[in-house]
Amino acid sequence: RKEVEQDPGPFNVPEGATVAFNCTYSNSASQSFFWYRQDCRKEPKLLMSVYSSGNEDGRFTAQLNRASQYISLLIRDSKLSDSATYLCVVKSGGFKTIFGAGTRLFVKA
Amino acid sequence: NAGVTQTPKFRVLKTGQSMTLLCAQDMNHEYMYWYRQDPGMGLRLIHYSVGEGTTAKGEVPDGYNVSRLKKQNFLLGLESAAPSQTSVYFCASSLTGEDEQFFGPGTRLTVL
Repeated sequence: RKEVEQDPGPFNVPEGATVAFNCTYSNSASQSFFWYRQDCRKEPKLLMSVYSSGNEDGRFTAQLNRASQYISLLIRDSKLSDSATYLCVVKSGGFKTIFGAGTRLFVKA
Repeated sequence: NAGVTQTPKFRVLKTGQSMTLLCAQDMNHEYMYWYRQDPGMGLRLIHYSVGEGTTAKGEVPDGYNVSRLKKQNFLLGLESAAPSQTSVYFCASSLTGEDEQFFGPGTRLTVL
């Protein structure tokens, strides 16, 4: 079983739709959680950190569920520019940083 | 600020050849990392460094060596390239081990 698992998608949604991604992790000692965005043939860039209390940044909301060991990313009012691959990242202390394989999102006009 | 830069952007090698990938950052970050990214898999850590003159093994270090002689540079070497090392290589840096990692644009390496 992979330490961090994501639905690879792709998710195909129309503009304006709400879409949610989940990511599960296996190490209960994991400490820090992030969502990165990666555009096609580009480098990953931090989208947002995920806090225990949940956090929101504009149209993006991230949630953490430690009991069930998953994190989620909700995108409201999808834009064409949201089309990308979204990477779930889990840190377990020290330098153990595990990247999920990513979920691809296509937003259509 | 250029952020994190990588050279070269593309390279094709024959099996058994050697090469060095260069990563440079101008953010005065202490921590630097080398990852590889393969289709259907997440980024995997090859080696990392917590400061000038220090290096450590990551998840997939075999077949690679690294050096951090200067704080701003982190070199990744392949002594004898193999087709299994065909991948996209990303360098990253961060201020501390807990902070956001900033990535370079990547190097696409093909080993024939």
